[in-house]
Amino acid sequence: DTEVTQTPKHLVMGMTNKKSLKCEQHMGHRAMYWYKQKAKKPPELMFVYSYEKLSINESVPSRFSPECPNSSLLNLHLHALQPEDSALYLCASSPTDRGNTEAFFGQGTRLTVV
Amino acid sequence: RKEVEQDPGPFNVPEGATVAFNCTYSNSASQSFFWYRQDCRKEPKLLMSVYSSGNEDGRFTAQLNRASQYISLLIRDSKLSDSATYLCVANGAAGNKLTFGGGTRVLVKP
Repeated sequence: DTEVTQTPKHLVMGMTNKKSLKCEQHMGHRAMYWYKQKAKKPPELMFVYSYEKLSINESVPSRFSPECPNSSLLNLHLHALQPEDSALYLCASSPTDRGNTEAFFGQGTRLTVV
Repeated sequence: RKEVEQDPGPFNVPEGATVAFNCTYSNSASQSFFWYRQDCRKEPKLLMSVYSSGNEDGRFTAQLNRASQYISLLIRDSKLSDSATYLCVANGAAGNKLTFGGGTRVLVKP
């Protein structure tokens, strides 16, 4: 089973709202990722968690706050977003944090900021 | 220069034909390479890993050329369901950080 589950699938939020995106995997993977994808563009890495610790932050604005409560869960807390933050947010996981393993993606959360 | 570059296409392919396209990468420290397939408004799905010796999975063949820093994907006997964007991915230059190319769009037509 190579399943990564993301909730919600769709989210509309105002610029003053606080919301959270959730991601879950039960494959025992030790690395988890958040990617952002705009239309007709490739996914762009935001954060990498390795063994539940933040290992890479790609200079993401502080209005995006990741959290890894345990090895199976990854959250992305959103606050004071801008309309240009509207995008598909993808969570992924991989077995290890070494550079030779493929990653598996969830279905994504399609976020619209109004 | 982008780290991973692809011809955006689209490649218009008659059903049953063979199509091939490449991807170049700039960072010689990249360790692993993958092809992902992405359908419109869906998540990327792993198509295949790319090994130095080349590998084949059914109608799909991937090759890696480290000397020239490119990888290739060949699709034989194209099906209508092969229509998608194919994303080339390099990994390992800095931690477990997948770097995506811009994608190559393939349209298979009857």
